[in-house]
Amino acid sequence: GQQVMQIPQYQHVQEGEDFTTYCNSSTTLSNIQWYKQRPGGHPVFLIQLVKSGEVKKQKRLTFQFGEAKKNSSLHITATQTTDVGTYFCAGPSSGYALNFGKGTSLLVTP
Amino acid sequence: DGGITQSPKYLFRKEGQNVTLSCEQNLNHDAMYWYRQDPGQGLRLIYYSQIVNDFQKGDIAEGYSVSREKKESFPLTVTSAQKNPTAFYLCASSTSRQDTQYFGPGTRLTVL
Repeated sequence: GQQVMQIPQYQHVQEGEDFTTYCNSSTTLSNIQWYKQRPGGHPVFLIQLVKSGEVKKQKRLTFQFGEAKKNSSLHITATQTTDVGTYFCAGPSSGYALNFGKGTSLLVTP
Repeated sequence: DGGITQSPKYLFRKEGQNVTLSCEQNLNHDAMYWYRQDPGQGLRLIYYSQIVNDFQKGDIAEGYSVSREKKESFPLTVTSAQKNPTAFYLCASSTSRQDTQYFGPGTRLTVL
């Protein structure tokens, strides 16, 4: 079945270092969404990418959608402690809803 | 103030008891979802509903049941048939399936 794979599962960085999480799909996606879940909280929508090769920025966060629309990445420049949390990508399912990746948990040490 | 509410935030139950988790939204969304989250497992879909009086099983529906009698409400019952019910349960809604999902704060269920 349709799968959305995310790597790495965990990442521990020093504050100020960069961070990247990658999302790969076995099939072409019409769009991809990114969510962030803070520790003890609930997932919150960050952004949606639709076009092939699309790049969007939100302050220190850069989101990319691959040319083949099968992969995506989230890059954080100069991490801060406020970036701590789990980042999920999600793509439309052929069945019913969204397929969420298992997430990348980011820990930032001051 | 629009959003999704889930209650209670923490819930404790004895093994063998059924328990119902509440989910209410005032976003006028047609689609609603229930997810289960365990450490390292991401979000696993339990049930979803695209419209009132209609719902479908997700990937891990066994031991759970739902109803969708009103557009605003999508309660989840964790039955005694669910072998390992202790988990964090998240409810979400969207305007239609595959659209951006808005999540409630979650209910952390512990079965003793």
